[in-house]
Amino acid sequence: IVLTQSPGTLSVSPGERVTLSCRASQTVSSRYLAWYQQKPGQSPRLLIYGASSRATGIPDRFAGSGSGTDFTLTISRLEPEDFAVYYCQQYGAASITFGPLTFGQGTRLEMK
Amino acid sequence: EVQLVESGGGWVQPGRSLRLSCAASGFTLDDYTVHWVRQAPGKGLEWVAGINYNGGNFAYADSVKGRFTISRDDAKNSVYLQMSGLRAEDTALYYCVKDRAMITATYLESWGQGTSVTVSS
Repeated sequence: IVLTQSPGTLSVSPGERVTLSCRASQTVSSRYLAWYQQKPGQSPRLLIYGASSRATGIPDRFAGSGSGTDFTLTISRLEPEDFAVYYCQQYGAASITFGPLTFGQGTRLEMK
Repeated sequence: EVQLVESGGGWVQPGRSLRLSCAASGFTLDDYTVHWVRQAPGKGLEWVAGINYNGGNFAYADSVKGRFTISRDDAKNSVYLQMSGLRAEDTALYYCVKDRAMITATYLESWGQGTSVTVSS
């Protein structure tokens, strides 16, 4: 399954609401899609799993939604610390056949 | 606190081998699937390999199949990635990552800081 994220880069201001898109080339079964945040010089961090469940400690301004082939990550009010690269990852097939896991190419949020 | 610490990276010539290690603490490694995920300089994330809790299930990305081998030693609470036939395109930061699941591969809960591998003549 190929994941395509859009846009590649988004220039936004703190306080804005943003929506990031992740589109799959085939249906992602059981909404098995996750989102990660990676800040410069840091390891990725899990934000969302199961398309819409927030990981431990993730603020509620992060919300995931979608099913089938179209998924979104919405950040309701951008904080300065949210400027980072965001990746989606599917695990629908991997949950059955053990691999592969696939990532989208990432969306970079940059400050306007 | 869950911690994953990678080691073994470095500079290596094309065609040579390298073994990466991942030491886990704060949890029992043999309760979880563990993966290696890499990130080439300035690029995105690429899943490399994964192994389930008892080593009975494992898989590799097509780009490394036949060259890399993932293994685990639960007595040492560690996972390894043996890399052979290294190529310039294997140059990346290699992350050891703990899966949420035990038997299958799902989402990636905890990430190490990574160990850097550079393949160059």
